[in-house]
Parts: sequence; C-alpha cells; structure tokens
Amino acid sequence: DTAVSQTPKYLVTQMGNDKSIKCEQNLGHDTMYWYKQDSKKFLKIMFSYNNKELIINETVPNRFSPKSPDKAHLNLHINSLELGDSAVYFCAIRRGTEAFFGQGTRLTVV
Amino acid sequence: AQSVAQPEDQVNVAEGNPLTVKCTYSVSGNPYLFWYVQYPNRGLQFLLKYITGDNLVKGSYGFEAEFNKSQTSFHLKKPSALVSDSALYFCAVRDYSGNMLTFGGGTRLMVKP
Repeated sequence: DTAVSQTPKYLVTQMGNDKSIKCEQNLGHDTMYWYKQDSKKFLKIMFSYNNKELIINETVPNRFSPKSPDKAHLNLHINSLELGDSAVYFCAIRRGTEAFFGQGTRLTVV
Repeated sequence: AQSVAQPEDQVNVAEGNPLTVKCTYSVSGNPYLFWYVQYPNRGLQFLLKYITGDNLVKGSYGFEAEFNKSQTSFHLKKPSALVSDSALYFCAVRDYSGNMLTFGGGTRLMVKP
C-alpha cells in the first residue's frame, strides 16, 4: 500500500485559475510536507506542517496555502496561478528520521 | 541555515565500474544525512541514511555512503554500476533538532552498457 498518495497526477490549467492538489497519508504520522521541483529538478521545501505548527518557507508566495482537514490530509491550494508555478509538487511525510514522498503532481500552467 | 552541495550535474560510468556521486553539506550541530533516488516521472525513493555510528552506511540496491565529518561529505558509492541505476540522485541533510530536509541540486547518473 502506498504510504503517501497525491491526486491528481497531472494538472493542466490556465493562468489566473485556482487549483488544489490533494495529499493523503495512511501511516498516521504527524508531520507532512510540500516540496516543489522545478524544471531543473531542484527540490525546494514549501511547507512543513503538523497538528501543532505550520512552518512556511519565506520564499513561497502567499498564493500558496496548505490546508489540513484532518490528520491524514495536507492539501495544497494555489490561487491566481502563474506560468512560473509550473512544476512538479511532492507531498511527503516524516516517519522517524526519514521522509517518504508521494509520486508527485505535475502542474502545467498555460 | 543548512545547505547541501552536489558539485556534479551528471556522472557517467560504464556498467560494471564503480561509481561515486559526491555530496557535501553544511549544518549546525550533528547532521542527519540522506540519499534519495528519483526515476523518470516518479517520486523520490529513500536509499540510505546516516544518523550516528559507523561512517560507512549501506542501503538499498547495493549502494553505500561514507560519512566524513572533517570534510563534511557524504558521498554515495557502489562497487559495480548497473544500467538500471541510471537515475537522478539527491543528497539531503537535516539537523538534529530541525524538521525539514534540505536537498542538494541533484546529480544525474548515467550508466552505459
């Protein structure tokens, strides 16, 4: 069974739209993350979240916001999408000292 | 602030030859170090980690990595490369009390028959 699942796998949308990417984990762990991988494959942390604290990378625009409806989910909402938001977004969970990643969501803004 | 450097964008090696993918890090305090592999159109898969103990750690698929505190390095190695090892490799660091992994820029490994 997949520990971290993301939907959708691919998302194509127009500039200015608002979209969400869902992330679900089935391991019951507290800490979840969102990472962005750009076209050069560079990985950057966007958010770290547990049921107590949200840590935001200060370089992330406030158009991006994580929402956690329950402990198993950390969804990524993006408002007013821009061309530069095109990337692959990965959700991850922390188990002990390790991080486990979802398969990624390839977002293309046209 | 913690950081990771992978000085090589790409490493080319012939199948059957040993491979090394380099990584250096900067972090306050004792580091937790990791290697992840990413195959095309896939997420990151955990390979191995160093937390404490022996400087040489062994991981999945025959990979190993050597922690060198004086050189702040954590190079990934494999004695005999396979074509199927071709992928993107990421080194990452987290400090003992920190909550977030910081990744290097990635190194593409190309193993040719």
